[in-house]
Amino acid sequence: DTEVTQTPKHLVMGMTNKKSLKCEQHMGHRAMYWYKQKAKKPPELMFVYSYEKLSINESVPSRFSPECPNSSLLNLHLHALQPEDSALYLCASSQDPGKDGYTFGSGTRLTVV
Amino acid sequence: GQSLEQPSEVTAVEGAIVQINCTYQTSGFYGLSWYQQHDGGAPTFLSYNALDGLEETGRFSSFLSRSDSYGYLLLQELQMKDSASYFCAVRDEQAGTALIFGKGTTLSVSS
Repeated sequence: DTEVTQTPKHLVMGMTNKKSLKCEQHMGHRAMYWYKQKAKKPPELMFVYSYEKLSINESVPSRFSPECPNSSLLNLHLHALQPEDSALYLCASSQDPGKDGYTFGSGTRLTVV
Repeated sequence: GQSLEQPSEVTAVEGAIVQINCTYQTSGFYGLSWYQQHDGGAPTFLSYNALDGLEETGRFSSFLSRSDSYGYLLLQELQMKDSASYFCAVRDEQAGTALIFGKGTTLSVSS
């Protein structure tokens, strides 16, 4: 299996809702990442998990809460989001982000209403 | 911190050659990566240069000059399907294993 699977593919949520995004990989990659991408912009780093431990939190608002239950799974819990949080949320994994690069999931397109 | 500069747009015709440049400023530089992203799709890994020189992978090549903090992606024999956004990315000491992406270059290939 050489894929990163993200669910759901699309999500519409209200500002008072709580929802979770899920990401799964079975390539044995040691690092997993959440990125946020707005239209016509580059992916913007949110969180990094290395060996299931949160290693980088790029000053992301607390309404985004990451979780890594095991080495294959990554969740992003969402609560009380704002309309400006609407974006494509990308999960990626890597073993060696240099020579092997990241493997990205197809993303969750989130709309906050 | 780190910064990457690349042109915002490039246009070319089928069969042509195009070069997308990237200049970077980072601390503790490890290497320069390139990713392709089609509209509505996820980024896909194209190439990585850790050392100076040219790396060739089919129609795509990537070059790095560490002394100039500069690299480029060269796309040959352009096809319509190459129309996409191309991002250079770096990993440095502050980012750990995480990649920081440039603003991206939109390549439009016409017939």
